[in-house]
Amino acid sequence: KNEVEQSPQNLTAQEGEFITINCSYSVGISALHWLQQHPGGGIVSLFMLSSGKKKHGRLIATINIQEKHSSLHITASHPRDSAVYICAVPPQGGSEKLVFGKGTKLTVNP
Amino acid sequence: SQTIHQWPATLVQPVGSPLSLECTVEGTSNPNLYWYRQAAGRGLQLLFYSVGIGQISSEVPQNLSASRPQDRQFILSSKKLLLSDSGFYLCAWSVPASGVPYEQYFGPGTRLTVT
Repeated sequence: KNEVEQSPQNLTAQEGEFITINCSYSVGISALHWLQQHPGGGIVSLFMLSSGKKKHGRLIATINIQEKHSSLHITASHPRDSAVYICAVPPQGGSEKLVFGKGTKLTVNP
Repeated sequence: SQTIHQWPATLVQPVGSPLSLECTVEGTSNPNLYWYRQAAGRGLQLLFYSVGIGQISSEVPQNLSASRPQDRQFILSSKKLLLSDSGFYLCAWSVPASGVPYEQYFGPGTRLTVT
């Protein structure tokens, strides 16, 4: 079964700072997901990526399949980016189920 | 466009009482459906997974059960709630895929407090 580790667990930043959240997993995968959980609990899928890099606005996600590692970057962070960011991967190759990291709680102060 | 609904949004129930949470998906056919739980201070945990009507896979032994009476309806139930059942319950769906990366879409969630 895939083990997912996220770091840091908590992150506090000042508005405008560049943010990096890391995710490592133990078993090869077909795709990795980055999710955002708002303070009210709702979850939004940010990225699903299987190689290279994806960019959406100020968010950038990268993945290194060989090293079993992914990073989520936020450029020019803003208080509205404050949320829990969760990494998720299949438990084993080809599975449509997901195993989730414990999340990184990001707080961006004005 | 596709939409996923969950209700109720919040629920407070006494220990030993029954539970029924409902999830419905609109705008897609034959989706895979999932029930997840997020306990306080813990990550999301897959509880049940369904690939079709009446087809339920249980991931974690517990006093919860799930049913899929219709293609786009997924119900989470319990006959007698435990304190440990408290948490945030999320329903999600995905389009069945073969060899292609899939994406899961989450509902708004139900916050359950067992007292």
